[in-house]
Amino acid sequence: GQQLNQSPQSMFIQEGEDVSMNCTSSSIFNTWLWYKQDPGEGPVLLIALYKAGELTSNGRLTAQFGITRKDSFLNISASIPSDVGIYFCAGHPSMNYGGSQGNLIFGKGTKLSVKP
Amino acid sequence: KAGVTQTPRYLIKTRGQQVTLSCSPISGHRSVSWYQQTPGQGLQFLFEYFSETQRNKGNFPGRFSGRQFSNSRSEMNVSTLELGDSALYLCASSTGPKETQYFGPGTRLLVL
Repeated sequence: GQQLNQSPQSMFIQEGEDVSMNCTSSSIFNTWLWYKQDPGEGPVLLIALYKAGELTSNGRLTAQFGITRKDSFLNISASIPSDVGIYFCAGHPSMNYGGSQGNLIFGKGTKLSVKP
Repeated sequence: KAGVTQTPRYLIKTRGQQVTLSCSPISGHRSVSWYQQTPGQGLQFLFEYFSETQRNKGNFPGRFSGRQFSNSRSEMNVSTLELGDSALYLCASSTGPKETQYFGPGTRLLVL
């Protein structure tokens, strides 16, 4: 199936550090969503973006809908231990995207772990 | 408001059996989507239902089917289970198609 290009695949965080991750696509998207998933649970919605250029914050999290509508980033400021988990970007493509018109397309996730 | 609920949370089946998973959406949500999540393939779209009609279907074999009831609750069925069907099956609900989706905790299926 089609997936978004999400990077990095994994990263280690130290408490207090800022974290950045992004998602890119070759096609235009109408919405960008960021989810966090903890082990054994379903993804939890963090931020939803609906307009190109939109910058939205949710506490220490900030996400932006790229101007080209083909990318989005998520920043976490002053990370804390409970930020560990897997972060997924997702979006609704504007056109038929690999046969998935109207469906939500996901990135492969960015796994955040604590630095040993 | 209660979130999306899925039952059962865990299931063990053997090859060749069939399984039915259930999803109750958030109250007022009429759209339900199903996803399969595996370590190798990530989150893959299975199908979407709105007002008891299947609107979209992902690239999965016909062994995977679903339905939605008049109260928006949805079930998915997998027949003739294969080892590769072992996965976390996630249900998400939204107010309508292409609206923001909220996920349930998932049903973890293990096929032996």
